[in-house]
Amino acid sequence: GAGVSQTPSNKVTEKGKYVELRCDPISGHTALYWYRQSLGQGPEFLIYFQGTGAADDSGLPNDRFFAVRPEGSVSTLKIQRTERGDSAVYLCASSKQGDEQYFGPGTRLTVT
Amino acid sequence: DQQVKQNSPSLSVQEGRISILNCDYTNSMFDYFLWYKKYPAEGPTFLISISSIKDKNEDGRFTVFLNKSAKHLSLHIVPSQPGDSAVYFCAASAWSGNTGKLIFGQGTTLQVKP
Repeated sequence: GAGVSQTPSNKVTEKGKYVELRCDPISGHTALYWYRQSLGQGPEFLIYFQGTGAADDSGLPNDRFFAVRPEGSVSTLKIQRTERGDSAVYLCASSKQGDEQYFGPGTRLTVT
Repeated sequence: DQQVKQNSPSLSVQEGRISILNCDYTNSMFDYFLWYKKYPAEGPTFLISISSIKDKNEDGRFTVFLNKSAKHLSLHIVPSQPGDSAVYFCAASAWSGNTGKLIFGQGTTLQVKP
C-alpha cells in the first residue's frame, strides 16, 4: 500500500517568508509525528498528533512553528518568518498507536 | 543534552562478516528502542525494535541486544551485505509518558565492502 508522502520534496524560500509543508500519513494511522533533521544529526522531534489534537508539542523550537491536523489525517507544518537556521529536512512519520513509526521521504527546506 | 548517543560516526566491514553498531542512552524512563536505516534522499526505514522487558530480539540477519544496567544497546548484522551500506539510527521512546516520540542518536554510517 501507499506509504507516508510529503510535499513538496524541496522548498527554497527567502528569509522572512512563510512556508507550509504537507504530510499525508498511511491510511488508518492515528498517530502522526513531525521531526526535523539537520546535516550530520539524527531526526529531532517537533510535534505529535493523536487524531486531530496535538498530544505533545514540546519539540517545537518557538512560536514561529505551528502544525495542524484538522481532520485527523493530513497534517500541515507551518513556519512563519523563516530564518536561515530553519534550513533542514523536515520528516513526517505515522503509526498505529504503540506501533513503530513509518517515515516519509522528507521535505528539504532551504532558507536563503 | 544528548539522551541517545552513537559514538561511532562510521564503520567499515567486509561483506560476509559481522557488523556491530552501538548505542548508549541516559534516560532510565526509555522503555522501547528501535533501529532505523536510512539511504540518501529517503526517510528512515524501520529495521528492528526491542522492548525494555527483553534483552534480545532477532529478525533474520538482524539482532538487537539490550543491556539495561549499562544503558546500552547494539545491532548485529550477520552476514553483512553491500546493500546494508546506509546510515543507521538508534532511537528510544518512553511510552509511559504517553507520547511515543522518538529520541534519535546521531547515526552511524555503515559501509560494507564487497
